[in-house]
Amino acid sequence: DADVTQTPRNRITKTGKRIMLECSQTKGHDRMYWYRQDPGLGLRLIYYSFDVKDINKGEISDGYSVSRQAQAKFSLSLESAIPNQTALYFCATSQTGQGARGGITDTQYFGPGTRLTVL
Amino acid sequence: GQNIDQPTEMTATEGAIVQINCTYQTSGFNGLFWYQQHAGEAPTFLSYNVLDGLEEKGRFSSFLSRSKGYSYLLLKELQMKDSASYLCAVTTDSWGKLQFGAGTQVVVTP
Repeated sequence: DADVTQTPRNRITKTGKRIMLECSQTKGHDRMYWYRQDPGLGLRLIYYSFDVKDINKGEISDGYSVSRQAQAKFSLSLESAIPNQTALYFCATSQTGQGARGGITDTQYFGPGTRLTVL
Repeated sequence: GQNIDQPTEMTATEGAIVQINCTYQTSGFNGLFWYQQHAGEAPTFLSYNVLDGLEEKGRFSSFLSRSKGYSYLLLKELQMKDSASYLCAVTTDSWGKLQFGAGTQVVVTP
């Protein structure tokens, strides 16, 4: 079974609808992230959470909200979807740690992605 | 602001070597990652550099020069399955948040 799962994998919805994307992980990691990916723009951080009681905005949080229901679950909501939120959405996880070479290794592991289309 | 630049696309022949460059200008630096992403799939971790120098891992190597704000990913003995997008990402603080470049699409031809 995959360590990081996302549901749904594909979703088509209409403008104005509320959408929830879910992410679950079995890696036991404390940190979780939501990104969106658009052609030519790379991955952009929407929200991140370092533990269940910690939620932080990323660079493009407007129009989105999140909920960290448990250490293993992190959901992303679009309260009122609009067409420019059409994108590929990825959840990622990492574990807080100290790297052997003096840095903070925070390797992020990504889920399979959710392709969202807003009409 | 944060700026991470990498070429949009590179083409190389099976069995050859390709070097993907990444330059960054960020407000801080706490490590640089390379990820591989096949079309429609999740990015997968390839390498991490935090100190200057070369890190080798099989056919893939990654180099970092912090003073120049520069890294490269070297792919040797290219295989068709190496056709993918390669993402350069920098972590700028101790919290480990990543800033990604737009990715370099590598096309391997027979």
